[in-house]
Amino acid sequence: DAKTTQPPSMDCAEGRAANLPCNHSTISGNEYVYWYRQIHSQGPQYIIHGLKNNETNEMASLIITEDRKSSTLILPHATLRDTAVYYCIVRVARKAAGNKLTFGGGTRVLVKP
Amino acid sequence: DAGVIQSPRHEVTEMGQEVTLRCKPISGHDYLFWYRQTMMRGLELLIYFNNNVPIDDSGMPEDRFSAKMPNASFSTLKIQPSEPRDSAVYFCASSLGQGSHEQYFGPGTRLTVT
Repeated sequence: DAKTTQPPSMDCAEGRAANLPCNHSTISGNEYVYWYRQIHSQGPQYIIHGLKNNETNEMASLIITEDRKSSTLILPHATLRDTAVYYCIVRVARKAAGNKLTFGGGTRVLVKP
Repeated sequence: DAGVIQSPRHEVTEMGQEVTLRCKPISGHDYLFWYRQTMMRGLELLIYFNNNVPIDDSGMPEDRFSAKMPNASFSTLKIQPSEPRDSAVYFCASSLGQGSHEQYFGPGTRLTVT
């Protein structure tokens, strides 16, 4: 699975959009981009995933560049409850690779009032 | 659904004792994963099962660790004998089917070995 690079930390203001970048320059054509987050003292939580196209769900939007070498997770209206560590993960979704996830250091996001 | 259930939530034990962590995956899920999280090493996969069969145990740190899944609704992670460096939060997760995009994590078990 391709390696990802994320900033170690970032702050954002409550009510504003939070844009979390992730670089995955060695991504392969059959690898998906996944985002998980971990709120303090809880297990990680799935947010969103994508392959090529931009994706949106009730939690966030995922913007993937055309060359797929980087992506941005957007929390449209950050709240204090969005304070967490956000993990960007790239992996192949096929049987041989199983479903295992490899977590990096993530980005520690602090939403401030 | 109650989600992934782990027990105990907290465990404090003395070095040398046997520790057993338990996990009940979400009903119908056929993948089960055990992760460990420490400040130094972050979140790392220990082992995972597919249809109750261990698929990849390359993350298990050493022979003191063992994991079993006797049926589709129960798994254990055992440490014998425990050491202070085993202190960590252990997470169990489950997912549905090959190529499934989402893993569901339990609340974790915080293990402290003194």
